[in-house]
Amino acid sequence: DSGVTQTPKHLITATGQRVTLRCSPRSGDLSVYWYQQSLDQGLQFLIHYYNGEERAKGNILERFSAQQFPDLHSELNLSSLELGDSALYFCASSVVSGNPIETQYFGPGTRLLVL
Amino acid sequence: GDSVTQMEGPVTLSEEAFLTINCTYTATGYPSLFWYVQYPGEGLQLLLKATKADDKGSNKGFEATYRKETTSFHLEKGSVQVSDSAVYFCALSGPPTNSGGSNYKLTFGKGTLLTVNP
Repeated sequence: DSGVTQTPKHLITATGQRVTLRCSPRSGDLSVYWYQQSLDQGLQFLIHYYNGEERAKGNILERFSAQQFPDLHSELNLSSLELGDSALYFCASSVVSGNPIETQYFGPGTRLLVL
Repeated sequence: GDSVTQMEGPVTLSEEAFLTINCTYTATGYPSLFWYVQYPGEGLQLLLKATKADDKGSNKGFEATYRKETTSFHLEKGSVQVSDSAVYFCALSGPPTNSGGSNYKLTFGKGTLLTVNP
């Protein structure tokens, strides 16, 4: 158990809908990263938050957004869902933001299926 | 941009066989290198890491050496077990961007599925 929790574990929805994925980092970790894992694209970085502020964006679609709240949990919002958004979404946390050798601890993921 | 290339899988071995999973990278500067493992139905777990050239990361009998001259970080284990069956990901984490931003995102290879048979 990494200490990172993600809810829900599974999510089934329809095209055009909007969903919210939630992540609680390890106690004391200030950074949260979101990744998408799909069969065709592999594991891709989406976005990084540090202590409530957005720090970096990766291959995140404009239909997707995220935020990190004062209690440090984070939410990833996916809207106008398409079939191709079906994937496993991971969040990871680390203590600070500024050290490339820092280990990122991954949650169990949320599996999203868009029908 | 940064990229990681792993050997294509799947890899199927018998118990106690020797394992090598090749990983090469392209990055500016001196990235940190990682191997993560994903067991069926679970998230990713850090297996080992190395932060500078010639460093050797090791854990649970697995080893990998950071080779700057060949830009490689190959994963090895001398004697695999059935419980090692999983997907293995090589990844790198880069230095700060030129714009001064902090971006320690992980760039992953596509993963290698390892199956170990009794």
